[in-house]
Amino acid sequence: EADIYQTPRYLVIGTGKKITLECSQTMGHDKMYWYQQDPGMELHLIHYSYGVNSTEKGDLSSESTVSRIRTEHFPLTLESARPSHTSQYLCASSEPGLLYGYTFGSGTRLTVV
Amino acid sequence: RKEVEQDPGPFNVPEGATVAFNCTYSNSASQSFFWYRQDCRKEPKLLMSVYSSGNEDGRFTAQLNRASQYISLLIRDSKLSDSATYLCVVQSQGNLIFGKGTKLSVKP
Repeated sequence: EADIYQTPRYLVIGTGKKITLECSQTMGHDKMYWYQQDPGMELHLIHYSYGVNSTEKGDLSSESTVSRIRTEHFPLTLESARPSHTSQYLCASSEPGLLYGYTFGSGTRLTVV
Repeated sequence: RKEVEQDPGPFNVPEGATVAFNCTYSNSASQSFFWYRQDCRKEPKLLMSVYSSGNEDGRFTAQLNRASQYISLLIRDSKLSDSATYLCVVQSQGNLIFGKGTKLSVKP
């Protein structure tokens, strides 16, 4: 049973549209992460947060932005979608000590046409 | 040098084979280690944590060598359902660092 939820599961959208990918977790985790992954390729960390009002950029430069107003919610926004943003976006969360690793959501598969 | 390095594979093995994955990491201060499994077009899922003394879960055995900064995963009696990409994961400075993964394909 999933404790971290991502919506939508699939999204096809036109170039120039603003989109928000939702991620929510019910585990009370302070740490949350966004990864981008192309098919058959490695995970790239694009944003992370250690708690409310804390956000940091990851290793891969991204035109997306994130916010963390509530512990359970970590949405990712693209102001103007482009075909180069086509990818899978995975959200994850963890407890502070990382003893149990990250729990991932099912991902959002984004296609920008 | 990348923080976590794995052989990308693919490893193509017959059912019943024993297969070993290796991984090296660069941060000697790392304290937590994991193996994740990722099926095609799915999210990564935790397979097992890796402990200093080594640990076993059914057909899967994980080993850690801190001196060599080396982690391994052994799968015995491989099944068709073991086909997936296996990710070596190491804690570093408050986050987890994921290797690129090793793809395993088990054939009948």
